Amino acid sequence: DAKTTQPNSMESNEEEPVHLPCNHSTISGTDYIHWYRQLPSQGPEYVIHGLTSNVNNRMASLAIAEDRKSSTLILHRATLRDAAVYYCTLSGAGSYQLTFGKGTKLSVIP
Amino acid sequence: NAGVTQTPKFQVLKTGQSMTLQCAQDMNHEYMSWYRQDPGMGLRLIHYSVGAGITDQGEVPNGYNVSRSTTEDFPLRLLSAAPSQTSVYFCASSTRAPGATNEKLFFGSGTQLSVL
Repeated sequence: DAKTTQPNSMESNEEEPVHLPCNHSTISGTDYIHWYRQLPSQGPEYVIHGLTSNVNNRMASLAIAEDRKSSTLILHRATLRDAAVYYCTLSGAGSYQLTFGKGTKLSVIP
Repeated sequence: NAGVTQTPKFQVLKTGQSMTLQCAQDMNHEYMSWYRQDPGMGLRLIHYSVGAGITDQGEVPNGYNVSRSTTEDFPLRLLSAAPSQTSVYFCASSTRAPGATNEKLFFGSGTQLSVL
């Protein structure tokens, strides 16, 4: 399975945009890029996913590099409720599992 | 909406005891899975199922058994608990298996298990 690499931690000031990077240099052409987040003491929750084009939803935006070897999750205006661990993962053809690394722990400073 | 329900939320076991972690979903999802989460280790897949009667191993299956007799339920059994199985366990489900799809996983709220 293709691997992803994320920074261990990031900080952001409240109400400022946050760009969370993810590298996936071995991604294959049919792999979807998924982002999940895990709030403290809760199960992970889906944030956004994409294949080739940039994607927007009510929670965030996903920017995918043209070569698809990296992506960036964008929180347009961080709030204290966005403090969580953010996971970038790939779903590949023929795979029955989503593999979650250690993710990026986002701290939001009031 | 109930979504994915896990019981119990907390459990303390003695080494060698057995127990079953329950997971139920009411979304008619074909795919269900179990993860464990240890500090600094992220989420690791234990077992998964692509439908009733079909199960397979994930990354860390040793010490755990599963079965899938109905679409709704996917229990995880510890036959002889060990301290190394102290962890937080999450159950997840989705309409279909994740591979090369845009299916999203729905997670339960977790079971915190301590084995003394």
